[in-house]
Amino acid sequence: DAGVIQSPRHEVTEMGQEVTLRCKLISGHNSLFWYRQTMMRGLELLIYFNNNVPIDDSGMPEDRFSAKMPNASFSTLKIQPSEPRDSAVYFCASSPPRATGWNTGELFFGEGSRLTVL
Amino acid sequence: AQSVTQPDIHITVSEGASLELRCNYSYGATPYLFWYVQSPGQGLQLLLKYFSGDTLVQGIKGFEAEFKRSQSSFNLRKPSVHWSDAAEYFCAVGASGGSYIPTFGRGTSLIVHP
Repeated sequence: DAGVIQSPRHEVTEMGQEVTLRCKLISGHNSLFWYRQTMMRGLELLIYFNNNVPIDDSGMPEDRFSAKMPNASFSTLKIQPSEPRDSAVYFCASSPPRATGWNTGELFFGEGSRLTVL
Repeated sequence: AQSVTQPDIHITVSEGASLELRCNYSYGATPYLFWYVQSPGQGLQLLLKYFSGDTLVQGIKGFEAEFKRSQSSFNLRKPSVHWSDAAEYFCAVGASGGSYIPTFGRGTSLIVHP
């Protein structure tokens, strides 16, 4: 079975450019998490979707960051304009549903997108 | 708010030795607890989870963890470490009602000496 698929795996861009990271969920999963990992701050939750609806976006750093889930299997994280402090590894993770419709709490991670902003 | 503390940033063990990685959590009710492992350049993989029931849980790759409510701990153990276990280990806690949004600890880096 295919796992969570993220693209691109590596992105190098210049400050001020727009960056779009993509994520394909595991089929049947209904929750989607975007995390950012840095040495300084560890793993930070950026945003959480359940059934395509953003539930918690309190971790989104500022208006330069936006995330969408146009359908049940795909999500994008956009940074516009990008800044050097956005350099990090961005992970997407999905989780299967419980009977209540919420997620089980078990996260299945993609391999990450390493972003470098010069 | 929930939180997780992994007091050890690095742990070094010899191959074949036993291992215990510490995890303490803060949460007002019964938590859901997880351990994940991350190899270099990879995403996180679930090792084991505790939701309820037996407080000693078995996971993949020979790992186990014990939930101790009185100590707010969920320590990860392995009786004999292999060189391939060298990785970053993350403990996570999730709320036990409604939507589970895991909060991760800062991680413990395991170094295995031959």
